[in-house]
Amino acid sequence: AQKVTQAQTEISVVEKEDVTLDCVYETRDTTYYLFWYKQPPSGELVFLIRRNSFDEQNEISGRYSWNFQKSTSSFNFTITASQVVDSAVYFCALSEARNTGGFKTIFGAGTRLFVKA
Amino acid sequence: EAGVAQSPRYKIIEKRQSVAFWCNPISGHATLYWYQQILGQGPKLLIQFQNNGVVDDSQLPKDRFSAERLKGVDSTLKIQPAKLEDSAVYLCASSLRTNGEQFFGPGTRLTVL
Repeated sequence: AQKVTQAQTEISVVEKEDVTLDCVYETRDTTYYLFWYKQPPSGELVFLIRRNSFDEQNEISGRYSWNFQKSTSSFNFTITASQVVDSAVYFCALSEARNTGGFKTIFGAGTRLFVKA
Repeated sequence: EAGVAQSPRYKIIEKRQSVAFWCNPISGHATLYWYQQILGQGPKLLIQFQNNGVVDDSQLPKDRFSAERLKGVDSTLKIQPAKLEDSAVYLCASSLRTNGEQFFGPGTRLTVL
């Protein structure tokens, strides 16, 4: 069964703190894709990263980094030196192959991050 | 490159009325998605199109919701008749591939009174 769990509903940090957002997934497939999206207060979801199941190399993009561990079915997202502009809801998503072809994506419930000045 | 366009941005209707939402995806994107996002939850897929064919509508309440994507470009999502529980943000997204990143529109916030 395809499932994405973001156990942290809300996180509040003070600016310049590091923060990690957790994502745990379940899938029956060996080929799948993981994503993170950001939804700022304006409402429009913005793509952050895509990772395929065969690439466990961690990735860093500026203050953002992602830790993919297949052994624990986790794809965690860390923001280093958080800023007020990082305040948003962050969604983890999983794409899994359909029996009928193509891929189906499901989203986690999201983690709301508050960064206080 | 223009993003995903949606209209209207906001809509308030009374229960049992009808409403329609429009989406124009990014040019060249074959896959189009409609999601329902209830406050405090993640997006839930309602229907997915590949060009003008339906790939997945398993979570679409077909007794009241309908969607079409004529000519494989623009899409319309309709609710008839609306219920109170349909109050949500309706998001449209498009992608080049079904396993690729999705590009989202600004959404339509629907309030059913």
